[in-house]
Order: sequence, then structure tokens, then C-alpha cells
Amino acid sequence: NAGVTQTPKFRILKIGQSMTLQCAQDMNHNYMYWYRQDPGMGLKLIYYSVGAGITDKGEVPNGYNVSRSTTEDFPLRLELAAPSQTSVYFCASSYSTGGQPQHFGDGTRLSIL
Amino acid sequence: AQSVSQHNHHVILSEAASLELGCNYSYGGTVNLFWYVQYPGQHLQLLLKYFSGDPLVKGIKGFEAEFIKSKFSFNLRKPSVQWSDTAEYFCAVPDDKIIFGKGTRLHILP
Repeated sequence: NAGVTQTPKFRILKIGQSMTLQCAQDMNHNYMYWYRQDPGMGLKLIYYSVGAGITDKGEVPNGYNVSRSTTEDFPLRLELAAPSQTSVYFCASSYSTGGQPQHFGDGTRLSIL
Repeated sequence: AQSVSQHNHHVILSEAASLELGCNYSYGGTVNLFWYVQYPGQHLQLLLKYFSGDPLVKGIKGFEAEFIKSKFSFNLRKPSVQWSDTAEYFCAVPDDKIIFGKGTRLHILP
């Protein structure tokens, strides 16, 4: 029973490099989310998806892209890494929104140097 | 749209002290409410949830929360904290997405 799986757990990038953070869930959840968490700032929603083929911007989408080709996978792409993107990234999923709680992955700690 | 405010950013308590963390949401109507906990180095986990019915909700590890509609509040409580309760706590309200508060860092002194 894996739940939400994120890879990698840690990564260091140089400014201007690109990378994809992977997220997969095996609970057949329709909704998936990407958050970033910075110290003392809580969680900020980057992008979310309500189903395969549908994505929408959250609170802080600039510098990121997502795709949702399957129900299970929701990768987050950083095209030109900047120091401001140093953060911990969490992927989450839920069956629906409204009253359904989210299940979180273990996070990816990303440093941009 | 909904918003959530958590009053305390950082709380320090000694073991066995009682805990109350404040959470207020912005508007009423039918509302569901959550508290999540994030232990150091881990991901967020659901602590308890309110959907309807009894306004006093019991969660895991001895935590409870009371929904007070007239005060737009959903405060988290625990009668006697333990060192292992050191964590960050987030109140959350579902809207079209889930809205999280900024979190309260709880540090329990042994």
C-alpha cells in the first residue's frame, strides 16, 4: 500500500538547470496537488489537477509546469531553476475535494545553488 | 473564497502542559475542517476532521478539536502534551481546493 510516492527525495541543482519531480499515487484519486513548503510560510499550492488531462494553476505557479496524462502520475517540471525555488516540495492526492482529506507524499528537498 | 488563520506561529510548552492551538476560518455555511500534523522531517498526516454532527471531534494521539460555528473557530486541544508531540500543526478548510493555514510550530520541552 504505497499511497503517494515522490522521487527523488533530495536533489541539488545549479541555476538554470531543469528537472522533473515525480509523483505517483495508487489510490485511484482524481485530485492531485503540488505544494511547496518554506520555513514559516506554510504550504503554497503550485498546481493542481482534477483528473487526467486537466490541470490548473495554484497560488505560485510561475517557474513550474505540470502535466497529467494518467490518473496515477502528476510530474512537476522546473525549466530554469532559480535560487528562489529552493524548497521542500510535497505532492498530495485526494479522491475529491470538499470534505475529502489529502494524502501526502514524503516530499522532495530541492536546493538550487 | 475561504481563508484560514492560525494565531500562534510558535508555541513552546513543557511536558504534561495543556495545549490549545487556535484556528479561524473566514466564512460560514456548510464547512468541513481538518487538522494536519507534520512531524520533523516527515510529510503531513491527517490528525482529525470535522464534517458534521458532534462539534467536538476526537482524533489520533489524544487530540481533539471543537467546532464553534458562532466564532468561526476550530481550535485544537490536548489535555497533556508529550515530547513526541513536537511538530508543526496545520488547520485546513476545503474550498474548491484545500486551504491550509500557515502552521503552528509546537515545541515540547522534556
